[in-house]
Amino acid sequence: EAQVTQNPRYLITVTGKKLTVTCSQNMNHEYMSWYRQDPGLGLRQIYYSMNVEVTDKGDVPEGYKVSRKEKRNFPLILESPSPNQTSLYFCASSVQGSITEAFFGQGTRLTVV
Amino acid sequence: GQSLEQPSEVTAVEGAVVQINCTYQTSGFYGLSWYQQHDGGAPTFLSYNALDGLEETGRFSSFLSRSDSYGYLLLQELQMKDSASYFCAVYTGFQKLVFGTGTRLLVSP
Repeated sequence: EAQVTQNPRYLITVTGKKLTVTCSQNMNHEYMSWYRQDPGLGLRQIYYSMNVEVTDKGDVPEGYKVSRKEKRNFPLILESPSPNQTSLYFCASSVQGSITEAFFGQGTRLTVV
Repeated sequence: GQSLEQPSEVTAVEGAVVQINCTYQTSGFYGLSWYQQHDGGAPTFLSYNALDGLEETGRFSSFLSRSDSYGYLLLQELQMKDSASYFCAVYTGFQKLVFGTGTRLLVSP
């Protein structure tokens, strides 16, 4: 089954404790991206990657890091989480020439206390 | 800056037709997508319009007018399962997809 898998689905952590949210896709997609979703603000892009070792900032990259060492994986790293990063996070992937049709993971609800 | 405007909420009854509008102001424009998201779920792709006109996919249709910077999603023969949030998204180029704030559709019996 074609899918984008995120882990964990839920996470509560404390301010400053580094964490990683994993994302993996099995569709051989070149393009992957991370979004955060907050009430009233819709989905905002954090980082994206056009292929292995090629990443770039989205609209809200501050406080986040990503890496793309393998085509299928695109982890999101919060080096020092803060409460304003409490949000619902989605990973998405798509074929390079058709990023308008994105496949989303099930989301990770992160709470930073 | 980028701005996509949608109504925050729309209500309708089963069997009815509903239209969800999206107006946009973006630095670039290559096309307009629509996504559906049920509570607690992931956004799922519905449609994409790169050219002016109406695209039909079953009960859902999507329309685009590039000259008016405007599009809409039309849902016909509404069913309870259509209750969800609907997002428009503009592909602005430079590998960027910018989303609107979403419209919550409530379908009642």
